[in-house]
Amino acid sequence: SQQGEEDPQALSIQEGENATMNCSYKTSINNLQWYRQNSGRGLVHLILIRSNEREKHSGRLRVTLDTSKKSSSLLITASRAADTASYFCATRAGSYQLTFGKGTKLSVIP
Amino acid sequence: DAGVIQSPRHEVTEMGQEVTLRCKPISGHDYLFWYRQTMMRGLELLIYFNNNVPIDDSGMPEDRFSAKMPNASFSTLKIQPSEPRDSAVYFCASSQRQGARSGANVLTFGAGSRLTVL
Repeated sequence: SQQGEEDPQALSIQEGENATMNCSYKTSINNLQWYRQNSGRGLVHLILIRSNEREKHSGRLRVTLDTSKKSSSLLITASRAADTASYFCATRAGSYQLTFGKGTKLSVIP
Repeated sequence: DAGVIQSPRHEVTEMGQEVTLRCKPISGHDYLFWYRQTMMRGLELLIYFNNNVPIDDSGMPEDRFSAKMPNASFSTLKIQPSEPRDSAVYFCASSQRQGARSGANVLTFGAGSRLTVL
């Protein structure tokens, strides 16, 4: 069963705009991760945020985590056509396995 | 490192045939995971190994599915007999051991094996 649920399911923006994707989850977590998947490829890890962190940055990526609301957001600033991909959140609870949501499909129009 | 290597990339077979998917994890990674991805169900964890030992196979859909990891550099996922509903992309991923200074909990995925069962 999916622990994380991304919102929206699909997002289309113009190049240069910011893209925000949200993830909600159900149970307490140790950490939350975001992954990107280009069409026909495997998932690539983007960023990890631990349960005691509230915000993290990596280049044009900004991730926030609100454990009281059991939600996270991924912001991609100044989007590029190359950012077109599906984005997944993944949560780790007590065990070592990661549970993935169904993803947000982002289209960046040049 | 060449990353996680999966083979075959594409497999088309007929219902009832045996399918074997292969995975070579990143050297030094102690955890290996098999996931299945479909449009309807998203990414589902099938099974994972730690130091070649299966830890949790509760995601394996039924007895037709089996997975082995005979050594640290090789794993197989076998479906016998295959059915059309098994059509999906199967991903292998590996990870460093929990508690490592860097890379802990982070999965490195292979490119996937796209299976079509007719």
